[in-house]
Amino acid sequence: AQKVTQAQTEISVVEKEDVTLDCVYETRDTTYYLFWYKQPPSGELVFLIRRNSFDEQNEISGRYSWNFQKSTSSFNFTITASQVVDSAVYFCALSEGGNAGNMLTFGGGTRLMVKP
Amino acid sequence: KAGVTQTPRYLIKTRGQQVTLSCSPISGHRSVSWYQQTPGQGLQFLFEYFSETQRNKGNFPGRFSGRQFSNSRSEMNVSTLELGDSALYLCASSPDRGGEKLFFGSGTQLSVL
Repeated sequence: AQKVTQAQTEISVVEKEDVTLDCVYETRDTTYYLFWYKQPPSGELVFLIRRNSFDEQNEISGRYSWNFQKSTSSFNFTITASQVVDSAVYFCALSEGGNAGNMLTFGGGTRLMVKP
Repeated sequence: KAGVTQTPRYLIKTRGQQVTLSCSPISGHRSVSWYQQTPGQGLQFLFEYFSETQRNKGNFPGRFSGRQFSNSRSEMNVSTLELGDSALYLCASSPDRGGEKLFFGSGTQLSVL
């Protein structure tokens, strides 16, 4: 069975600091998809990134970057020069696709607080 | 394009009652999934519907059920409510199925008294 672990329950940083959110996953499938979602206080989950298991290229989008390492089953997320607006709960998730469809297994989430 | 719409936004029920939550996906999306979010259990998958058929179901009791209509709108029903059913229920849609990016609604906050 699949599992996603976000060991950091809560992180507090001061604005402009860099912060890395850790995500470790378990799956028996060779084809799978990894995601990061952001949940602001309003409640809806906002998509940040999707990565398939065959694409280990790191990705950078503005102040956000993601490091995918199959060897360690990790998909970590770094925010550079954090801002107060980055304060939210961040979820890492795994989908096995195929017959699993769009069923996502979520990690427990990391609450990020960015203080001015 | 309008986003995923969930109604109602808030709901208060008492134990033993039943409740129906509604979700309108983004136009053209055929897959609708439901998730339950609680402080203790986090985000858990309830079920997914695709073209009116339930394709996957999470580990929830039979009191939780759902359906999807021909216009892709979906409803979920919880019968014989228990205190532990208090949660944020999130609906998500995607164009197709299979490891897709999901678009989430703002959720329905259900409180069972």
